Amino acid sequence: DQQVKQNSPSLSVQEGRISILNCDYTNSMFDYFLWYKKYPAEGPTFLISISSIKDKNEDGRFTVFLNKSAKHLSLHIVPSQPGDSAVYFCAARPGNTPLVFGKGTRLSVIA
Amino acid sequence: DTAVSQTPKYLVTQMGNDKSIKCEQNLGHDTMYWYKQDSKKFLKIMFSYNNKELIINETVPNRFSPKSPDKAHLNLHINSLELGDSAVYFCASSQGWDTIYFGEGSWLTVV
Repeated sequence: DQQVKQNSPSLSVQEGRISILNCDYTNSMFDYFLWYKKYPAEGPTFLISISSIKDKNEDGRFTVFLNKSAKHLSLHIVPSQPGDSAVYFCAARPGNTPLVFGKGTRLSVIA
Repeated sequence: DTAVSQTPKYLVTQMGNDKSIKCEQNLGHDTMYWYKQDSKKFLKIMFSYNNKELIINETVPNRFSPKSPDKAHLNLHINSLELGDSAVYFCASSQGWDTIYFGEGSWLTVV
Protein backbone atom coordinates (compact mmCIF):
# COMPACT_ATOMS: atom_id res chain seq x y z
CA ASP A 1 0.00 0.00 0.00
CA GLN A 2 1.98 2.93 -1.33
CA GLN A 3 0.84 6.07 0.42
CA VAL A 4 3.51 8.17 -1.28
CA LYS A 5 4.04 7.58 -4.98
CA GLN A 6 6.74 8.84 -7.28
CA ASN A 7 5.62 7.47 -10.60
CA SER A 8 8.64 8.54 -12.62
CA PRO A 9 11.65 6.39 -11.76
CA SER A 10 13.97 8.65 -13.73
CA LEU A 11 14.19 12.06 -15.36
CA SER A 12 16.81 13.65 -17.62
CA VAL A 13 17.15 17.40 -17.94
CA GLN A 14 19.56 19.68 -19.76
CA GLU A 15 21.80 21.84 -17.59
CA GLY A 16 20.27 25.27 -17.03
CA ARG A 17 16.70 24.10 -17.64
CA ILE A 18 14.02 23.42 -15.07
CA SER A 19 13.70 20.03 -13.37
CA ILE A 20 10.24 19.11 -12.11
CA LEU A 21 9.91 16.09 -9.84
CA ASN A 22 6.44 14.91 -8.96
CA CYS A 23 4.94 13.10 -6.01
CA ASP A 24 1.38 11.96 -5.30
CA TYR A 25 0.00 10.85 -1.98
CA THR A 26 -3.13 9.06 -0.86
CA ASN A 27 -3.37 9.82 2.86
CA SER A 28 -5.36 13.01 3.39
CA MET A 29 -4.06 13.17 6.96
CA PHE A 30 -0.55 13.98 5.77
CA ASP A 31 0.29 17.47 6.99
CA TYR A 32 4.03 17.77 6.48
CA PHE A 33 5.97 17.00 3.33
CA LEU A 34 9.68 16.82 2.67
CA TRP A 35 12.09 16.21 -0.18
CA TYR A 36 15.34 14.37 0.36
CA LYS A 37 18.25 14.08 -2.04
CA LYS A 38 20.48 11.02 -2.17
CA TYR A 39 23.83 10.57 -3.87
CA PRO A 40 25.19 7.05 -4.51
CA ALA A 41 26.73 5.39 -1.47
CA GLU A 42 25.45 8.14 0.81
CA GLY A 43 22.43 8.58 3.03
CA PRO A 44 19.48 10.78 2.05
CA THR A 45 19.93 14.44 2.97
CA PHE A 46 17.12 16.84 3.73
CA LEU A 47 16.45 19.34 0.97
CA ILE A 48 13.24 21.27 1.54
CA SER A 49 9.91 20.88 3.30
CA ILE A 50 6.41 22.30 3.30
CA SER A 51 3.57 22.15 5.76
CA SER A 52 0.00 21.60 4.65
CA ILE A 53 -0.98 25.16 5.55
CA LYS A 54 1.17 26.45 2.69
CA ASP A 55 1.08 25.84 -1.02
CA LYS A 56 4.61 26.93 -1.86
CA ASN A 57 8.01 27.06 -0.19
CA GLU A 58 11.13 28.36 -1.84
CA ASP A 59 14.79 27.96 -0.95
CA GLY A 60 17.24 29.26 -3.52
CA ARG A 61 16.96 27.19 -6.68
CA PHE A 62 14.51 24.79 -5.05
CA THR A 63 10.77 25.34 -4.80
CA VAL A 64 8.22 22.89 -3.50
CA PHE A 65 4.56 23.23 -4.50
CA LEU A 66 1.70 21.55 -2.69
CA ASN A 67 -1.73 20.99 -4.21
CA LYS A 68 -3.81 19.51 -1.40
CA SER A 69 -6.96 19.04 -3.43
CA ALA A 70 -5.04 16.96 -5.96
CA LYS A 71 -2.88 15.35 -3.25
CA HIS A 72 0.11 16.30 -5.33
CA LEU A 73 3.52 17.67 -4.48
CA SER A 74 6.24 18.82 -6.84
CA LEU A 75 9.82 19.96 -6.55
CA HIS A 76 11.15 22.48 -9.04
CA ILE A 77 14.86 23.01 -9.50
CA VAL A 78 15.85 25.96 -11.60
CA PRO A 79 18.35 26.29 -13.10
CA SER A 80 19.37 22.64 -12.97
CA GLN A 81 23.05 21.91 -12.45
CA PRO A 82 25.07 18.71 -12.99
CA GLY A 83 25.59 18.49 -9.21
CA ASP A 84 21.83 18.11 -8.82
CA SER A 85 22.06 14.64 -10.38
CA ALA A 86 20.87 12.34 -7.61
CA VAL A 87 17.87 10.34 -6.45
CA TYR A 88 15.12 12.51 -4.97
CA PHE A 89 12.76 11.06 -2.38
CA CYS A 90 9.42 12.55 -1.50
CA ALA A 91 8.30 11.92 2.11
CA ALA A 92 5.26 12.79 4.17
CA ARG A 93 3.79 12.25 7.58
CA PRO A 94 0.43 12.63 9.34
CA GLY A 95 1.03 14.52 12.57
CA ASN A 96 3.62 13.19 14.99
CA THR A 97 4.45 9.93 13.27
CA PRO A 98 7.41 8.69 11.21
CA LEU A 99 7.94 9.76 7.66
CA VAL A 100 6.59 7.66 4.80
CA PHE A 101 8.86 7.71 1.75
CA GLY A 102 8.27 7.29 -1.95
CA LYS A 103 10.50 5.09 -4.11
CA GLY A 104 12.52 7.99 -5.43
CA THR A 105 13.15 9.57 -8.82
CA ARG A 106 16.62 9.54 -10.32
CA LEU A 107 17.43 12.93 -11.83
CA SER A 108 20.21 13.22 -14.38
CA VAL A 109 21.28 16.73 -15.35
CA ILE A 110 23.15 16.65 -18.61
CA ALA A 111 25.84 19.24 -19.26
CA ASP B 1 32.42 15.61 12.17
CA THR B 2 29.71 13.36 10.83
CA ALA B 3 26.32 13.99 12.42
CA VAL B 4 24.96 10.44 12.13
CA SER B 5 27.61 7.79 11.71
CA GLN B 6 27.13 4.10 11.25
CA THR B 7 29.55 1.19 10.94
CA PRO B 8 30.36 -0.89 9.05
CA LYS B 9 29.57 0.71 5.71
CA TYR B 10 29.86 -2.57 3.82
CA LEU B 11 29.27 -6.03 5.20
CA VAL B 12 29.30 -9.34 3.37
CA THR B 13 28.41 -12.36 5.45
CA GLN B 14 27.12 -15.90 5.14
CA MET B 15 23.60 -17.07 5.80
CA GLY B 16 23.03 -18.06 9.37
CA ASN B 17 25.58 -15.66 10.83
CA ASP B 18 24.82 -13.01 13.44
CA LYS B 19 25.93 -9.44 12.76
CA SER B 20 25.61 -5.98 14.27
CA ILE B 21 25.51 -2.50 12.80
CA LYS B 22 26.38 0.39 15.11
CA CYS B 23 25.04 3.92 14.97
CA GLU B 24 25.89 7.11 16.78
CA GLN B 25 24.55 10.64 16.42
CA ASN B 26 26.17 13.81 17.75
CA LEU B 27 23.25 16.12 17.03
CA GLY B 28 21.77 15.91 20.51
CA HIS B 29 18.57 14.45 19.07
CA ASP B 30 16.20 12.47 21.25
CA THR B 31 14.83 10.15 18.57
CA MET B 32 16.71 7.57 16.52
CA TYR B 33 15.58 5.23 13.78
CA TRP B 34 16.57 2.31 11.64
CA TYR B 35 15.30 2.34 8.05
CA LYS B 36 15.73 -0.38 5.46
CA GLN B 37 16.03 0.19 1.73
CA ASP B 38 15.43 -3.07 -0.08
CA SER B 39 15.85 -4.08 -3.70
CA LYS B 40 12.62 -2.30 -4.62
CA LYS B 41 14.20 0.93 -3.36
CA PHE B 42 11.56 1.70 -0.76
CA LEU B 43 12.84 3.33 2.42
CA LYS B 44 10.87 1.67 5.18
CA ILE B 45 11.04 2.32 8.87
CA MET B 46 11.97 -0.63 11.05
CA PHE B 47 12.36 0.83 14.53
CA SER B 48 12.26 4.12 16.33
CA TYR B 49 13.60 4.96 19.77
CA ASN B 50 12.88 8.07 21.79
CA ASN B 51 15.20 8.70 24.74
CA LYS B 52 16.32 5.06 24.70
CA GLU B 53 12.77 3.73 24.68
CA LEU B 54 11.32 1.76 21.80
CA ILE B 55 8.35 3.64 20.38
CA ILE B 56 7.94 2.11 16.94
CA ASN B 57 8.46 -1.48 15.96
CA GLU B 58 7.18 -2.17 12.49
CA THR B 59 6.55 -5.66 11.22
CA VAL B 60 10.12 -6.85 11.40
CA PRO B 61 11.23 -10.43 12.14
CA ASN B 62 12.33 -10.85 15.74
CA ARG B 63 15.77 -11.84 14.42
CA PHE B 64 16.27 -8.07 14.29
CA SER B 65 16.91 -6.58 17.71
CA PRO B 66 17.71 -2.91 18.24
CA LYS B 67 19.55 -1.76 21.33
CA SER B 68 19.89 1.80 22.57
CA PRO B 69 22.47 2.08 25.37
CA ASP B 70 21.94 5.85 25.49
CA LYS B 71 20.04 8.38 23.41
CA ALA B 72 23.05 9.01 21.15
CA HIS B 73 23.42 5.37 20.12
CA LEU B 74 21.14 2.87 18.42
CA ASN B 75 22.65 -0.43 17.35
CA LEU B 76 21.00 -3.09 15.23
CA HIS B 77 21.73 -6.75 15.83
CA ILE B 78 20.59 -9.36 13.34
CA ASN B 79 20.53 -13.06 14.19
CA SER B 80 20.52 -15.98 11.76
CA LEU B 81 20.93 -13.85 8.67
CA GLU B 82 18.91 -14.80 5.59
CA LEU B 83 19.42 -13.99 1.92
CA GLY B 84 16.40 -11.69 2.03
CA ASP B 85 18.08 -9.52 4.66
CA SER B 86 20.42 -8.17 1.98
CA ALA B 87 19.65 -4.46 1.81
CA VAL B 88 20.94 -1.04 2.77
CA TYR B 89 20.24 -0.16 6.38
CA PHE B 90 20.10 3.52 7.30
CA CYS B 91 20.34 4.86 10.80
CA ALA B 92 18.74 8.26 11.35
CA SER B 93 17.91 10.73 14.08
CA SER B 94 15.59 13.65 14.72
CA GLN B 95 14.51 15.96 17.48
CA GLY B 96 11.01 14.76 18.22
CA TRP B 97 9.26 14.20 14.91
CA ASP B 98 11.14 16.97 13.14
CA THR B 99 13.35 16.60 10.09
CA ILE B 100 15.17 13.29 9.99
CA TYR B 101 18.92 13.19 9.42
CA PHE B 102 20.33 10.01 7.95
CA GLY B 103 23.62 8.22 8.24
CA GLU B 104 25.49 7.10 5.14
CA GLY B 105 24.01 3.62 5.16
CA SER B 106 25.32 0.11 5.73
CA TRP B 107 25.29 -2.19 2.69
CA LEU B 108 24.58 -5.70 3.92
CA THR B 109 25.02 -8.62 1.53
CA VAL B 110 24.12 -12.09 2.72
CA VAL B 111 25.58 -14.90 0.62
